[in-house]
Amino acid sequence: GAVVSQHPSRVICKSGTSVKIECRSLDFQATTMFWYRQFPKQSLMLMATSNEGSKATYEQGVEKDKFLINHASLTLSTLTVTSAHPEDSSFYICSARGYNITGLYEQYFGPGTRLTVT
Amino acid sequence: DAKTTQPPSMDCAEGRAANLPCNHSTISGNEYVYWYRQIHSQGPQYIIHGLKNNETNEMASLIITEDRKSSTLILPHATLRDTAVYYCIVRVDSGGSNYKLTFGKGTLLTVNP
Repeated sequence: GAVVSQHPSRVICKSGTSVKIECRSLDFQATTMFWYRQFPKQSLMLMATSNEGSKATYEQGVEKDKFLINHASLTLSTLTVTSAHPEDSSFYICSARGYNITGLYEQYFGPGTRLTVT
Repeated sequence: DAKTTQPPSMDCAEGRAANLPCNHSTISGNEYVYWYRQIHSQGPQYIIHGLKNNETNEMASLIITEDRKSSTLILPHATLRDTAVYYCIVRVDSGGSNYKLTFGKGTLLTVNP
């Protein structure tokens, strides 16, 4: 399957600081990228959807000014958690959708980023 | 949006077939059934998807009932590495290819030695 990477895999930051998480599609062009959040022992919750060059569409209840999403190219999307607080500690997973090398239009997930806010 | 119902947990002996059921009784005619799994602290991994016909790939088989109200994911020879949460998802089509994958609680499959 296609490869989606995230960086960093783990990050610890202090309350009030901002953290940027990168998501890259390594072997295909992602026309659409998604950001999910997963709290312990819970399922993935979709936060936002973004198309390359367009503003992200946020799910209900997700603060767009707190979770800044930039999808500047077909292979890169970033999620910035601004003024992070301990309740933002979570597992953040990106997902990318596009045509893979075999010509199939599918969606693939990154390995996730564990954010801990102290 | 069609919702799915899965048992919260299942056990399977190593080497045996694991049959994971999913109920999606409100599925629409043009909605696909997708299966993903998530091994602890990793991102979800695509397994298989189907619309009407049964599907098979190198990882699993997907059996969809004729009325499409339920499906079963079959791992033919489960290994310890197949221990994961398995998600059955009905693809929500928000227009053309602009669909969203919404995850439920899934089934925690534990493969025992």
